[in-house]
Amino acid sequence: GESVGLHLPTLSVQEGDNSIINCAYSNSASDYFIWYKQESGKGPQFIIDIRSNMDKRQGQRVTVLLNKTVKHLSLQIAATQPGDSAVYFCAEAYGSSNTGKLIFGQGTTLQVKP
Amino acid sequence: DTEVTQTPKHLVMGMTNKKSLKCEQHMGHRAMYWYKQKAKKPPELMFVYSYEKLSINESVPSRFSPECPNSSLLNLHLHALQPEDSALYLCASSSAGQYGYTFGSGTRLTVV
Repeated sequence: GESVGLHLPTLSVQEGDNSIINCAYSNSASDYFIWYKQESGKGPQFIIDIRSNMDKRQGQRVTVLLNKTVKHLSLQIAATQPGDSAVYFCAEAYGSSNTGKLIFGQGTTLQVKP
Repeated sequence: DTEVTQTPKHLVMGMTNKKSLKCEQHMGHRAMYWYKQKAKKPPELMFVYSYEKLSINESVPSRFSPECPNSSLLNLHLHALQPEDSALYLCASSSAGQYGYTFGSGTRLTVV
């Protein structure tokens, strides 16, 4: 079936550096994408979202880029901090307006070295 | 209140037991969800409720039985589970038609 996937299972960065986490998706009909952060022992936490009619969206220290031509999504984290250490999932949303269905990709573990 | 509360946080049950997982939110969300997450894997959708009615069942075995008694509560009744059902069970909610789900911290279930 169609799925959302991530390129790398683990990413290790130095504190203060920028992080880029990538995701490839396969459902060209999807029109909404979300990045979630999951810390150990917690549920996924919403970070940022983007609709398919956009190619870039910025939040506080985070930027999501969407390339529909190659079905690629990325999350950029500026000045990565130890508190950013977590598993990051991209998720693809599709379905009717009243029955949203959110499908998660495989996840990337971000490790921040002090 | 901007949280989804799940109880219990941990549950150990035998294969012949009957237990229930509970989920509660007071954000006025009319869509609620159950996800299952195995270790080092992404959450997998199990059920979607919209306006207290079951709208999606992702071919989940009948030993898992969801219930939505009102707009704030979502239960997952468990019966005759198998050890491979051990996982983190996550509840989420959202405004109907919105995808910015709010997740609870989950119930860590161990079937022995």
